[in-house]
Amino acid sequence: RKEVEQDPGPFNVPEGATVAFNCTYSNSASQSFFWYRQDCRKEPKLLMSVYSSGNEDGRFTAQLNRASQYISLLIRDSKLSDSATYLCVAPAPSARQLTFGSGTQLTVLP
Amino acid sequence: DAGVTQSPTHLIKTRGQHVTLRCSPISGHKSVSWYQQVLGQGPQFIFQYYEKEERGRGNFPDRFSARQFPNYSSELNVNALLLGDSALYLCASSLTSSGNTEAFFGQGTRLTVV
Repeated sequence: RKEVEQDPGPFNVPEGATVAFNCTYSNSASQSFFWYRQDCRKEPKLLMSVYSSGNEDGRFTAQLNRASQYISLLIRDSKLSDSATYLCVAPAPSARQLTFGSGTQLTVLP
Repeated sequence: DAGVTQSPTHLIKTRGQHVTLRCSPISGHKSVSWYQQVLGQGPQFIFQYYEKEERGRGNFPDRFSARQFPNYSSELNVNALLLGDSALYLCASSLTSSGNTEAFFGQGTRLTVV
């Protein structure tokens, strides 16, 4: 089993829609989680950090389910500019590195 | 404040050649990590340096090496390039050496090996 797994998509949604991505992680001791956004051929940019049950920032909500070992990212009122690949990160507690999922591709359609 | 800067942005090399990639972290950050990202995959960890010492190494061959300088900038070196080394190489800067700390990426160096 991969350490971090994501549905690769692609998710194609109309503008204004609500979309949710799930990410499962294998290390039950993981404490910190991150969502990064990556535009085509660009670097990943930190979107949200999750240290407890969840986090909310405007249209974006991240929720953590420790019992089932998954993190979700909810995007409300999708904008064209939300089109990107969303990368989930779930590092092991003692790890030096970020452990990335393969990413979920989102396309918001006009 | 400047973010993480990497150079060069693009590079084309021939098989068997050597390449050096450079990274300057965010001011005040002492940790630099290197990642390789191939198309369709998430970034894969190569090295972490903190306070000029190697603190972590990913599953990459010995052809890959790195170092960190007193000003916390870093170099990634790859010897005997293979076609499979073609990828986006990303440098990440963070305050601590923990993988549970927020990390910020440079724009990357896109390496093409022909």
